[in-house]
Amino acid sequence: SQKIEQNSEALNIQEGKTATLTCNYTNYSPAYLQWYRQDPGRGPVFLLLIRENEKEKRKERLKVTFDTTLKQSLFHITASQPADSATYLCALGNNDMRFGAGTRLTVKP
Amino acid sequence: NAGVTQTPKFQVLKTGQSMTLQCAQDMNHEYMSWYRQDPGMGLRLIHYSVGAGITDQGEVPNGYNVSRSTTEDFPLRLLSAAPSQTSVYFCASSDGLAGSYEQYFGPGTRLTVT
Repeated sequence: SQKIEQNSEALNIQEGKTATLTCNYTNYSPAYLQWYRQDPGRGPVFLLLIRENEKEKRKERLKVTFDTTLKQSLFHITASQPADSATYLCALGNNDMRFGAGTRLTVKP
Repeated sequence: NAGVTQTPKFQVLKTGQSMTLQCAQDMNHEYMSWYRQDPGMGLRLIHYSVGAGITDQGEVPNGYNVSRSTTEDFPLRLLSAAPSQTSVYFCASSDGLAGSYEQYFGPGTRLTVT
Protein backbone atom coordinates (compact mmCIF):
# COMPACT_ATOMS: atom_id res chain seq x y z
CA SER A 1 0.00 0.00 0.00
CA GLN A 2 1.04 3.62 -0.45
CA LYS A 3 2.72 5.24 2.54
CA ILE A 4 4.19 8.60 3.38
CA GLU A 5 6.33 8.67 6.50
CA GLN A 6 7.82 11.65 8.22
CA ASN A 7 10.43 10.14 10.42
CA SER A 8 10.30 12.35 13.45
CA GLU A 9 7.14 13.21 15.25
CA ALA A 10 8.95 16.04 17.00
CA LEU A 11 12.25 17.81 16.53
CA ASN A 12 13.80 20.28 18.97
CA ILE A 13 16.71 22.46 17.92
CA GLN A 14 18.55 25.55 19.11
CA GLU A 15 18.03 28.90 17.41
CA GLY A 16 20.51 29.50 14.62
CA LYS A 17 20.99 25.82 13.81
CA THR A 18 19.77 24.05 10.68
CA ALA A 19 16.65 21.93 11.02
CA THR A 20 16.41 18.90 8.73
CA LEU A 21 13.10 17.09 8.31
CA THR A 22 12.65 13.85 6.39
CA CYS A 23 9.83 12.56 4.23
CA ASN A 24 9.97 8.99 2.91
CA TYR A 25 7.40 7.41 0.64
CA THR A 26 6.63 3.94 -0.71
CA ASN A 27 4.59 2.72 -3.67
CA TYR A 28 4.43 6.15 -5.25
CA SER A 29 6.06 7.50 -8.39
CA PRO A 30 5.33 11.17 -7.81
CA ALA A 31 5.99 13.84 -10.38
CA TYR A 32 5.88 16.47 -7.61
CA LEU A 33 6.34 16.70 -3.88
CA GLN A 34 5.13 19.56 -1.70
CA TRP A 35 5.91 20.90 1.75
CA TYR A 36 3.46 22.78 3.96
CA ARG A 37 3.64 24.52 7.30
CA GLN A 38 0.82 24.27 9.84
CA ASP A 39 0.45 26.37 12.97
CA PRO A 40 -1.84 25.24 15.83
CA GLY A 41 -5.50 25.83 15.09
CA ARG A 42 -4.86 26.87 11.49
CA GLY A 43 -4.94 25.33 8.04
CA PRO A 44 -1.71 24.28 6.30
CA VAL A 45 0.16 26.89 4.29
CA PHE A 46 2.09 25.99 1.15
CA LEU A 47 5.87 26.44 1.27
CA LEU A 48 7.59 24.71 -1.65
CA LEU A 49 6.94 22.36 -4.56
CA ILE A 50 9.70 20.31 -6.14
CA ARG A 51 9.46 18.37 -9.39
CA GLU A 52 10.89 14.90 -9.99
CA ASN A 53 13.52 16.28 -12.36
CA GLU A 54 14.69 18.86 -9.80
CA LYS A 55 17.22 17.64 -7.27
CA GLU A 56 17.03 20.72 -5.08
CA LYS A 57 14.93 23.84 -4.63
CA ARG A 58 15.51 26.88 -2.44
CA LYS A 59 13.37 29.71 -1.12
CA GLU A 60 14.99 32.15 1.27
CA ARG A 61 16.13 30.03 4.28
CA LEU A 62 14.31 26.92 3.05
CA LYS A 63 15.83 24.14 0.96
CA VAL A 64 14.15 20.98 -0.30
CA THR A 65 15.80 17.99 -1.94
CA PHE A 66 14.03 15.21 -3.81
CA ASP A 67 15.67 11.84 -4.41
CA THR A 68 13.37 9.62 -6.47
CA THR A 69 15.81 6.70 -6.19
CA LEU A 70 15.81 6.76 -2.40
CA LYS A 71 12.13 7.80 -2.43
CA GLN A 72 12.94 10.56 -0.01
CA SER A 73 12.69 14.32 0.38
CA LEU A 74 14.66 16.37 2.87
CA PHE A 75 13.46 19.78 4.07
CA HIS A 76 16.02 22.13 5.59
CA ILE A 77 15.54 25.39 7.46
CA THR A 78 18.82 27.22 7.88
CA ALA A 79 19.51 29.81 10.58
CA SER A 80 16.35 28.66 12.36
CA GLN A 81 14.33 31.08 14.47
CA PRO A 82 11.71 30.54 17.19
CA ALA A 83 9.13 31.81 14.65
CA ASP A 84 9.89 28.70 12.56
CA SER A 85 8.31 26.54 15.29
CA ALA A 86 5.37 24.75 13.66
CA THR A 87 4.36 21.40 12.20
CA TYR A 88 5.72 20.69 8.74
CA LEU A 89 3.89 18.37 6.36
CA CYS A 90 5.02 16.73 3.15
CA ALA A 91 2.48 15.85 0.49
CA LEU A 92 2.38 14.11 -2.84
CA GLY A 93 -0.01 12.71 -5.38
CA ASN A 94 -2.03 14.18 -8.18
CA ASN A 95 -5.70 14.85 -7.62
CA ASP A 96 -5.75 12.40 -4.71
CA MET A 97 -3.18 14.24 -2.61
CA ARG A 98 -1.83 12.42 0.43
CA PHE A 99 -0.08 13.99 3.38
CA GLY A 100 2.40 12.70 5.90
CA ALA A 101 1.52 12.93 9.58
CA GLY A 102 3.92 15.85 10.01
CA THR A 103 6.94 16.74 12.11
CA ARG A 104 6.49 19.23 14.95
CA LEU A 105 9.53 21.51 15.00
CA THR A 106 10.39 23.55 18.09
CA VAL A 107 13.19 26.11 17.85
CA LYS A 108 14.44 27.16 21.28
CA PRO A 109 15.97 30.61 21.77
CA ASN B 1 -9.84 38.10 -2.03
CA ALA B 2 -11.15 36.21 0.99
CA GLY B 3 -9.44 33.03 -0.22
CA VAL B 4 -11.02 29.83 1.12
CA THR B 5 -13.75 30.29 3.71
CA GLN B 6 -15.38 27.60 5.85
CA THR B 7 -18.44 27.70 8.06
CA PRO B 8 -19.11 26.95 10.83
CA LYS B 9 -15.86 27.19 12.81
CA PHE B 10 -17.15 24.85 15.53
CA GLN B 11 -20.03 22.38 15.61
CA VAL B 12 -21.34 19.83 18.09
CA LEU B 13 -23.68 17.12 16.80
CA LYS B 14 -25.44 14.22 18.37
CA THR B 15 -24.98 10.75 16.90
CA GLY B 16 -27.33 10.27 13.96
CA GLN B 17 -27.78 13.95 13.13
CA SER B 18 -26.90 15.27 9.69
CA MET B 19 -25.28 18.52 8.73
CA THR B 20 -23.47 20.34 5.95
CA LEU B 21 -20.05 21.93 6.25
CA GLN B 22 -19.76 24.86 3.91
CA CYS B 23 -16.71 25.75 1.82
CA ALA B 24 -16.33 28.60 -0.66
CA GLN B 25 -13.43 30.07 -2.60
CA ASP B 26 -13.22 33.29 -4.61
CA MET B 27 -10.08 32.52 -6.62
CA ASN B 28 -11.86 30.80 -9.52
CA HIS B 29 -10.00 27.57 -8.77
CA GLU B 30 -11.16 24.46 -10.57
CA TYR B 31 -9.86 21.97 -7.98
CA MET B 32 -11.38 21.75 -4.50
CA SER B 33 -11.02 19.13 -1.81
CA TRP B 34 -12.01 18.13 1.72
CA TYR B 35 -9.65 16.67 4.31
CA ARG B 36 -10.06 15.55 7.88
CA GLN B 37 -7.25 15.82 10.37
CA ASP B 38 -6.97 13.60 13.42
CA PRO B 39 -4.14 13.58 15.98
CA GLY B 40 -1.17 11.54 14.79
CA MET B 41 -2.78 10.73 11.44
CA GLY B 42 -2.18 13.81 9.39
CA LEU B 43 -4.58 15.04 6.75
CA ARG B 44 -6.69 12.43 5.00
CA LEU B 45 -8.52 13.19 1.76
CA ILE B 46 -12.29 12.66 1.90
CA HIS B 47 -13.55 13.85 -1.49
CA TYR B 48 -12.31 16.12 -4.23
CA SER B 49 -13.59 17.88 -7.33
CA VAL B 50 -11.77 18.91 -10.49
CA GLY B 51 -14.55 21.21 -11.64
CA ALA B 52 -18.24 22.01 -11.40
CA GLY B 53 -20.31 18.85 -11.74
CA ILE B 54 -17.35 16.50 -11.18
CA THR B 55 -16.54 14.85 -7.85
CA ASP B 56 -14.52 11.83 -6.82
CA GLN B 57 -13.70 9.88 -3.68
CA GLY B 58 -10.53 10.20 -1.71
CA GLU B 59 -9.00 7.99 0.94
CA VAL B 60 -11.82 8.09 3.52
CA PRO B 61 -15.15 8.87 1.77
CA ASN B 62 -17.54 6.68 3.78
CA GLY B 63 -20.22 8.63 5.65
CA TYR B 64 -19.72 11.80 3.59
CA ASN B 65 -21.33 13.22 0.46
CA VAL B 66 -20.28 16.12 -1.73
CA SER B 67 -21.60 18.01 -4.73
CA ARG B 68 -20.13 20.78 -6.87
CA SER B 69 -22.83 22.80 -8.59
CA THR B 70 -20.70 25.96 -8.93
CA THR B 71 -16.98 26.66 -9.21
CA GLU B 72 -17.05 28.61 -5.93
CA ASP B 73 -18.77 26.21 -3.53
CA PHE B 74 -18.01 22.67 -2.38
CA PRO B 75 -20.19 21.62 0.58
CA LEU B 76 -19.52 18.45 2.58
CA ARG B 77 -22.53 16.59 3.95
CA LEU B 78 -22.48 14.23 6.90
CA LEU B 79 -25.42 11.93 6.40
CA SER B 80 -25.70 10.38 9.88
CA ALA B 81 -23.01 11.62 12.23
CA ALA B 82 -20.97 9.10 14.23
CA PRO B 83 -18.44 9.70 17.05
CA SER B 84 -15.72 8.46 14.65
CA GLN B 85 -16.36 11.59 12.58
CA THR B 86 -15.17 13.83 15.41
CA SER B 87 -12.30 15.66 13.73
CA VAL B 88 -11.07 18.92 12.26
CA TYR B 89 -12.19 19.37 8.67
CA PHE B 90 -10.26 21.42 6.14
CA CYS B 91 -11.34 22.53 2.71
CA ALA B 92 -8.71 23.42 0.10
CA SER B 93 -8.56 24.68 -3.47
CA SER B 94 -5.91 24.95 -6.16
CA ASP B 95 -5.59 26.38 -9.64
CA GLY B 96 -5.02 23.01 -11.27
CA LEU B 97 -4.05 19.47 -10.47
CA ALA B 98 -3.49 19.31 -6.72
CA GLY B 99 -0.07 17.73 -7.05
CA SER B 100 1.39 20.35 -9.32
CA TYR B 101 -0.13 23.47 -7.82
CA GLU B 102 -0.11 24.88 -4.32
CA GLN B 103 -3.25 24.24 -2.35
CA TYR B 104 -4.91 27.01 -0.38
CA PHE B 105 -6.55 25.81 2.82
CA GLY B 106 -9.45 27.23 4.76
CA PRO B 107 -9.31 27.83 8.53
CA GLY B 108 -11.03 24.56 9.37
CA THR B 109 -14.21 23.36 11.10
CA ARG B 110 -13.85 21.59 14.42
CA LEU B 111 -16.61 18.98 14.68
CA THR B 112 -17.50 17.00 17.78
CA VAL B 113 -20.02 14.16 17.61
CA THR B 114 -21.38 12.98 20.96
